[in-house]
Amino acid sequence: KAGVTQTPRYLIKTRGQQVTLSCSPISGHRSVSWYQQTPGQGLQFLFEYFSETQRNKGNFPGRFSGRQFSNSRSEMNVSTLELGDSALYLCASSSKQVAYNEQFFGPGTRLTVL
Amino acid sequence: GQQLNQSPQSMFIQEGEDVSMNCTSSSIFNTWLWYKQEPGEGPVLLIALYKAGELTSNGRLTAQFGITRKDSFLNISASIPSDVGIYFCAGRGGGTSYGKLTFGQGTILTVHP
Repeated sequence: KAGVTQTPRYLIKTRGQQVTLSCSPISGHRSVSWYQQTPGQGLQFLFEYFSETQRNKGNFPGRFSGRQFSNSRSEMNVSTLELGDSALYLCASSSKQVAYNEQFFGPGTRLTVL
Repeated sequence: GQQLNQSPQSMFIQEGEDVSMNCTSSSIFNTWLWYKQEPGEGPVLLIALYKAGELTSNGRLTAQFGITRKDSFLNISASIPSDVGIYFCAGRGGGTSYGKLTFGQGTILTVHP
């Protein structure tokens, strides 16, 4: 079974631009969660989608948004990029709804904002 | 919000030694997960714990879900060089937490041959 895939693996953008990251979950998994990882803040939860609906959201500004498609693939978008948005963005998928939550991570997208 | 305190922050050990790390929380968690992350990769799930008091092993790794549901520990026995990496604990709360995991700051493990 293929794991979680994320594209692109690396991105370089400049301040003010916007970016879209993509995540394909493990086949059969319907939940996709996104996290931001930085040296200073560690792993921080961004949001989670299940069946095309956002079920939970972390404490990030509205510039961070996401969506999920009917095939469970998910995208996240960051608008008006700031230097502080430079981070590794990770997505994780899970097959369970609520009771159990084994999340499996992709390799991440390394975003650098110049 | 929920906070996870993971300790130690880093460990330098000799090959063959045992390792222990732990996480404590100010809030109750319903699930505890332990991950390992290597450079350039995403976290890899090592062990999942679902019940207070549960003790689970995965090869040389053993983890326990604290009885108070506010802590967990991970032990690695007879460490080897490939154990090098950053280990994270993660907890999931109840209610509407759904796909949200709260992570500890990580423990950087270095193993000297």
